[in-house]
Amino acid sequence: AQSVTQPDIHITVSEGASLELRCNYSYGATPYLFWYVQSPGQGLQLLLKYFSGDTLVQGIKGFEAEFKRSQSSFNLRKPSVHWSDAAEYFCALATSNNAGNMLTFGGGTRLMVKP
Amino acid sequence: DTGVSQDPRHKITKRGQNVTFRCDPISEHNRLYWYRQTLGQGPEFLTYFQNEAQLEKSRLLSDRFSAERPKGSFSTLEIQRTEQGDSAMYLCASSKVGTYGYTFGSGTRLTVV
Repeated sequence: AQSVTQPDIHITVSEGASLELRCNYSYGATPYLFWYVQSPGQGLQLLLKYFSGDTLVQGIKGFEAEFKRSQSSFNLRKPSVHWSDAAEYFCALATSNNAGNMLTFGGGTRLMVKP
Repeated sequence: DTGVSQDPRHKITKRGQNVTFRCDPISEHNRLYWYRQTLGQGPEFLTYFQNEAQLEKSRLLSDRFSAERPKGSFSTLEIQRTEQGDSAMYLCASSKVGTYGYTFGSGTRLTVV
């Protein structure tokens, strides 16, 4: 069975500082990996996804993520955080043999941005 | 593309009552998914449809939960005899067959009192 772990429950950064949110997965082959963002009381918005190829993927809102097979990681980064980035971030994976491309989510990381 | 719509946004119900939520997917999407998200947790898969067929329902939380998608368009999720533990956000998402990563709706927040 696959799983996703987001080790940091809360992270606080200052506006303008760089950001890295950690994501580790457990799966025997290469999964499909995703990062979603959720603002309070809202649904989830897809930031970026990795299927294959270039291990550094670019997403919306200036985010990027790097797939590292050797570390089973897919960390999300942003060079300069804006106050509007404060939200909850979820890493998720799907596999090619999952019925219906079911997503398995991590527990989330809540990002707070200090002025 | 009007996005995935869910109705209602919020529902407060008394324990023991039945509730039904509706989801309208993106029109050209043939797959529709239901997830549950409890406070402080990531979403948890419940069930999905491909067109009108419910292809996976073993992860519905109990036999009090059921879902339908009668004409392959909108879907409903019903919870019978609600319990306080059912309080959560219920998220719907849709996608096209063969694609990964879907579009989520804004969710229905259920509070059972």
